[in-house]
Amino acid sequence: AQSVTQLDSQVPVFEEAPVELRCNYSSSVSVYLFWYVQYPNQGLQLLLKYLSGSTLVKGINGFEAEFNKSQTSFHLRKPSVHISDTAEYFCAVNRGSQGNLIFGKGTKLSVKP
Amino acid sequence: DAGITQSPRHKVTETGTPVTLRCHQTENHRYMYWYRQDPGHGLRLIHYSYGVKDTDKGEVSDGYSVSRSKTEDFLLTLESATSSQTSVYFCAITADRGHPEAFFGQGTRLTVV
Repeated sequence: AQSVTQLDSQVPVFEEAPVELRCNYSSSVSVYLFWYVQYPNQGLQLLLKYLSGSTLVKGINGFEAEFNKSQTSFHLRKPSVHISDTAEYFCAVNRGSQGNLIFGKGTKLSVKP
Repeated sequence: DAGITQSPRHKVTETGTPVTLRCHQTENHRYMYWYRQDPGHGLRLIHYSYGVKDTDKGEVSDGYSVSRSKTEDFLLTLESATSSQTSVYFCAITADRGHPEAFFGQGTRLTVV
């Protein structure tokens, strides 16, 4: 069975500092990987995705993630965060042929001035 | 933004009453999903649909049923609401296997008292 582990439930960081949100997955087959962002009282917005090809993928708002097959990781990074990046971030893996997503439990990013 | 509308956006209901949540899409996507979001659990799949009248269970399907009589509508019914079903419910859609990224509605906050 596939599962997703987000290693940090909360990440506090100062504005303009770099940040990394960690995600590991378990799967015996090839997967598609995603990061979503959720702002308070809103739905989930796709941040970036890895389907195939280059292991470094770039998303919206200056975020990027690197797929590492040997370490089964898909960590999200941003070189300089803003107050507006304060949100909850979810890592997800595609499940099976129906496209079901399995989500991690989320990481709350708190950017402080 | 993907054309996904959830209704109602907020609902308070009493224990033991039936409740139906509606998800309407204008994207003509084949796959539709219902997730629930609870603190510390991320998003968990309740049911999904891979076509009109084709549905299947997710990991937390007990106490829920779904129906899809038209491509654009996916209904989630709580047959007899319980306090443990107090949650935020999200509908999501995906186009097909070649485009596995999901797009989410704004959510329905359900409180069972």
